[in-house]
Amino acid sequence: EIVLTQSPGTLSLSPGERATLSCRASQSVSSSYLAWYQQKPGQAPRLLIYGASNRATGIPDRFSGSGSGTDFTLTISRLEPEDFAVYYCQQYGSSLFTFGQGTKLEIK
Amino acid sequence: EVHLVESGGVAVQPGGSLRLSCAASGFTFDDYAMHWVRQTPGKGLEWVSLITWDGGSTYYADSVKGRFTISRDNSKNSLYLQMNSLRAEDTALYYCAKDNGSGYGTYFDYWGQGTLVTVSS
Repeated sequence: EIVLTQSPGTLSLSPGERATLSCRASQSVSSSYLAWYQQKPGQAPRLLIYGASNRATGIPDRFSGSGSGTDFTLTISRLEPEDFAVYYCQQYGSSLFTFGQGTKLEIK
Repeated sequence: EVHLVESGGVAVQPGGSLRLSCAASGFTFDDYAMHWVRQTPGKGLEWVSLITWDGGSTYYADSVKGRFTISRDNSKNSLYLQMNSLRAEDTALYYCAKDNGSGYGTYFDYWGQGTLVTVSS
């Protein structure tokens, strides 16, 4: 099983700043099969990024994903008030699916 | 617009059984694989099970293997999760999630709002 470790656990930033969230895998994620989700309180997760760097339908271009192998990054170029939420990475190789523990992005 | 609506979550005693349902609309249900994913405050998001578009293949997390059974009825656009021998650690919010593909699982492009299962004596 591939274990995903997200860092930091909590990130405190102000609107307008740049956010960089990390997701590290315990072994290589095949074909960059990595996704990112956003979850707000009381809501289901929402797909942001798939294939490590592809934005899902309707996701603003301030969200971008990068990385390969074992190291992946979600970047939010300029934070909007609605971006403060919890973010999860997820890998999808070989019909086994694991999530990271999440990074909480909070308003400073 | 894609809609996934879960139901069936209740409080049940350890060792009990429960069947969750998910009603799907807004897409061609039998073109896509489907999943159950659960969430607890302590353990975060945990994938539970996957079923391919035709129900021909199913996959389970080790934590539920042998106790849970995923199934689907494409004529009713519905997904199910039969949960047996329930344990306290199965307490969670259970989400139905649509896969982006039809086969062996990729990412979850749409999620329902979840149904709460509580296992307690």
